[in-house]
Parts: sequence; structure tokens; C-alpha cells
Amino acid sequence: NAGVTQTPKFQVLKTGQSMTLQCAQDMNHEYMSWYRQDPGMGLRLIHYSVGAGITDQGEVPNGYNVSRSTTEDFPLRLLSAAPSQTSVYFCASVSGGGPIQETQYFGPGTRLLVL
Amino acid sequence: AQSVTQPDIHITVSEGASLELRCNYSYGATPYLFWYVQSPGQGLQLLLKYFSGDTLVQGIKGFEAEFKRSQSSFNLRKPSVHWSDAAEYFCAVGARGSQGNLIFGKGTKLSVKP
Repeated sequence: NAGVTQTPKFQVLKTGQSMTLQCAQDMNHEYMSWYRQDPGMGLRLIHYSVGAGITDQGEVPNGYNVSRSTTEDFPLRLLSAAPSQTSVYFCASVSGGGPIQETQYFGPGTRLLVL
Repeated sequence: AQSVTQPDIHITVSEGASLELRCNYSYGATPYLFWYVQSPGQGLQLLLKYFSGDTLVQGIKGFEAEFKRSQSSFNLRKPSVHWSDAAEYFCAVGARGSQGNLIFGKGTKLSVKP
């Protein structure tokens, strides 16, 4: 199993550009989530999904869109990038019980710089 | 609302010395509590978790944590630190009955002196 994979590893964007951060898992996990990590801020939840076709907002959803058409994939879209979205983005997945009952697995992260 | 406080931003210990990382939480009932570790350039890995029962929880890599309700604390300990333990450590809390989303503390960076 590859676990949780994220692409790209690093991306530079200009303000106003759009892009999609990819996340995939091969563990047949129902629950997937996106976090952003900023220095001194810990991890903050952006969006999460409890299964294909079901998504919901986390703590900091503004400026981000998600969809979940398959169990395996959970892309994060930045519609119009802003410098405040410069961060490291982590995708995570966990089996159906959710990140409390089950172990949450994190991807290696995508480092995004918005100029 | 739930919250997690990690009072120490950065801690340096000598290899072989004992370690205690502090975590305080705010929650109206007994929460679910977690410790994660993040090695440089990596994602997070679960070290241990507390749900109920025995207040001393054993985790991977020789770590343990103790839940103290009276102090609203869940401190992480290790009796003898190895150089490979240098990383950033995050405490997290989850609310019972929620969707299962976690609230993370801001992290404590651990440096290990040879």
C-alpha cells in the first residue's frame, strides 16, 4: 500500500491563480480531511469528507473547495490564490470510525507559496 | 469550545535525559486526547491516544502520557530521549459525539543535544 499520497510536493503560485492539490489513498478509508499548517499555529482543519459525495467545512474553509467523487481521491481546490494561503497542506485519511476511534494517516504534505 | 494549549514552543534536552511535554485542554467533559509526532519534512504520526479507563497510556517509540482530569492535562513523557526523537510534537483533542474532527495544539519542537 502507498498509504496517503499528495501531489505536488511544492508549488509556487501568483496571486489570483487557481490550482488543485491532489490527495489519494489506497486504504479504502471513508474519512478524509485537509489541514493547513502554519508556523506557530499547529494544524487547522479546512474541509473533510465522511464518504464519497459527502463533504463538510472545517475550521478554516474560506478560499478552498473540495469534492469527493470517489473513495480514493479528495482534491483541494484554490479558486483564486492569495498570499495568506501560503502554507503547508496535509491530507489525512482514516477508516470509517473517524479520527477519534481509528488511527489517522497523514500524507507527506504539499508546500505552497503564493506570491 | 474545545481548545488545546502547549505552553512550550521549543524544548532542548540532552540525549539520555528524561522528557516531559506539556499539554492542557479545555473541554466541558472528558475529551478524547491524542499525541502526534512530526519529523522534519514529514506528515504526522499518531504516538498514543486516551479514550477512557487507565489514565496512564502507553504509546509507540517508548512514549507514555498521563491524563489528569483535575489539572486538565495530558502530558507526554519519555524516560530516556534518543537523538531520533528530535521532532515536533502535537497534542490534540476530540469531542465526544462530534464528527470526529480534532483540534490541534500549536506544537512543541524538541531538540536533542548529543
